Amino acid sequence: NAGVTQTPKFRILKIGQSMTLQCTQDMNHNYMYWYRQDPGMGLKLIYYSVGAGITDKGEVPNGYNVSRSTTEDFPLRLELAAPSQTSVYFCASSTFGTQYFGPGTRLTVL
Amino acid sequence: GIQVEQSPPDLILQEGANSTLRCNFSDSVNNLQWFHQNPWGQLINLFYIPSGTKQNGRLSATTVATERYSLLYISSSQTTDSGVYFCAVDIQGAQKLVFGQGTRLTINP
Repeated sequence: NAGVTQTPKFRILKIGQSMTLQCTQDMNHNYMYWYRQDPGMGLKLIYYSVGAGITDKGEVPNGYNVSRSTTEDFPLRLELAAPSQTSVYFCASSTFGTQYFGPGTRLTVL
Repeated sequence: GIQVEQSPPDLILQEGANSTLRCNFSDSVNNLQWFHQNPWGQLINLFYIPSGTKQNGRLSATTVATERYSLLYISSSQTTDSGVYFCAVDIQGAQKLVFGQGTRLTINP
């Protein structure tokens, strides 16, 4: 199993640009999550999904959108990138209370 | 919302030392997990421990849910234990975790 994979690993965006962060898991987990981690801080939940077709907001959803058309994939869309969205983004999936994280995407908005 | 506080914020030890990391939370929880973030940024789940005690090799964890705290013990520290240790809790179900600020552990050879 590859576990949770994320692409790209790094990205630099200009203010106002848009992009999609990809997340795929091969563990057949129903629950999936997007977090962001700012320097020196813990992770904050952006969006989560409890199954295909079902998504909901977390603690910091503004400026982001998600979709969940399959069990495996949970992409995160950034519209109109802003410097405040500079962060490391982690995708995770879970089963039986244990969350498994992807390697992260480091995003810089200039 | 729930508050999650970890202490100490930083800990510097020599190889072979033992350490105790603490996590306090402000409300009853359904889920509590400990994670290790290595120097390359990868997050590894250490324990799922909403209550009770678990051990995995040199690491063990105890959660006293009634008193709203959890402890992570690391014995005979190795340099590979360096990194940031996070405690995260879920109070609402759906495993929506709220993370603490972390404890940065540095193990010197």
